[in-house]
Amino acid sequence: DIQMTQSPSSLSASVGDRVTITCQASQGINNYLNWYQQKPGKAPKLLIYDATNLQAGVPSRFSGSGSGTHFTFTINSLQPEDIATYYCQQYANFLTFGGGTRVEIK
Amino acid sequence: EVQLVESGGGMVQPGGSLKLSCVGSGFSFSGSAIHWVRQASGKGLEWVGRIRSRSNNYATAYAASVKGRFIVSRDDSKNTAYLQMNTLRSEDTAVYYCTRVATIPDYWGQGTLVTVSS
Repeated sequence: DIQMTQSPSSLSASVGDRVTITCQASQGINNYLNWYQQKPGKAPKLLIYDATNLQAGVPSRFSGSGSGTHFTFTINSLQPEDIATYYCQQYANFLTFGGGTRVEIK
Repeated sequence: EVQLVESGGGMVQPGGSLKLSCVGSGFSFSGSAIHWVRQASGKGLEWVGRIRSRSNNYATAYAASVKGRFIVSRDDSKNTAYLQMNTLRSEDTAVYYCTRVATIPDYWGQGTLVTVSS
């Protein structure tokens, strides 16, 4: 089974800050990686697919990079509406999720 | 518009059974794999199982935590996938989501809550 290690588990940042979350796969997954945003009581929403591609309708302040085993998700200029928990997900072999990162406003 | 709608959740006693449904619309349901993912209150996302399309022989796979107890099936004539949950345990209490995989996992349903309690 492929394990996904996501860090940090939580972070606090100011509006306008750049926020970075990392995800490491236990084995190579090429670019079969998604990033999701989840708000309380809601289903996860796809933001980034294939590690680097912005899903339609998602603001351009969200971006992703990486391939193989190491991946990064960035929010440029954090906005109040970005308060949520973010998850990475690999789909190279079934589905596995990172543990999540709770993003709060400082 | 792509939509997935789960139903069938509720409260059940330990050892009981429940069958969830996931109805898809706005896309080629028969051409998509359907995965089930659950989330216990305040916890992360856990993959439960999946069923592939007819062209992939309706292949199923399950997480170790549910293997032998849960069964995923589908009826493409009804654009519906199912999750039959047997021998339920308290640790199966969660919101259950279905998600489609056409080329990538993308759309999710709103989830249905399953509570296993005496």
